[in-house]
Amino acid sequence: NAGVTQTPKFQVLKTGQSMTLQCAQDMNHEYMSWYRQDPGMGLRLIHYSVGAGITDQGEVPNGYNVSRSTTEDFPLRLLSAAPSQTSVYFCASSQTGNSPLHFGNGTRLTVT
Amino acid sequence: RKEVEQDPGPFNVPEGATVAFNCTYSNSASQSFFWYRQDCRKEPKLLMSVYSSGNEDGRFTAQLNRASQYISLLIRDSKLSDSATYLCVVNGAGGFKTIFGAGTRLFVKA
Repeated sequence: NAGVTQTPKFQVLKTGQSMTLQCAQDMNHEYMSWYRQDPGMGLRLIHYSVGAGITDQGEVPNGYNVSRSTTEDFPLRLLSAAPSQTSVYFCASSQTGNSPLHFGNGTRLTVT
Repeated sequence: RKEVEQDPGPFNVPEGATVAFNCTYSNSASQSFFWYRQDCRKEPKLLMSVYSSGNEDGRFTAQLNRASQYISLLIRDSKLSDSATYLCVVNGAGGFKTIFGAGTRLFVKA
């Protein structure tokens, strides 16, 4: 039972590069979301999805794109990486918007 | 004002102590509430949901006061293994935006 799987675990990018963080869940959860965690800031919501084909912005969406073509997958795309995007990124899923979240192991991203 | 605010911490307590964490939220339409635990460099994990009537899980007790928009977590008989960051989590109206507090760091010492 894999739960929520995130890849990669670590990534270093140069300013201006683009990349996609992958997230997949095998629990048939409708709700998926992406967070970033910075020291002293807690987790901040980037984007979320309430089902395949439906996405919406969270607190800090600028510089990120998402899509939800299947229930299982919710990739996060960094369009043009900036040092301010250096952070730890967590993907999460839940059965409904009011259910507890299940998190992936996180991706540690450094942008130089 | 932040949507979810927690005690800044850190809390340093001896083993066996009782410690309480507080959290306030700004959206009166919030529907569901949780406490998560996060160990260093790990993902957050659900500690317990918080219900209006209050709920207990072993040494942990959670309380919700909707009128004051206030959530609390009480840990009794602290263990070394309780050392972690505790995150207060609130779901907004409609449940579609889960907002985390910044967390309170707990150190339990022998």
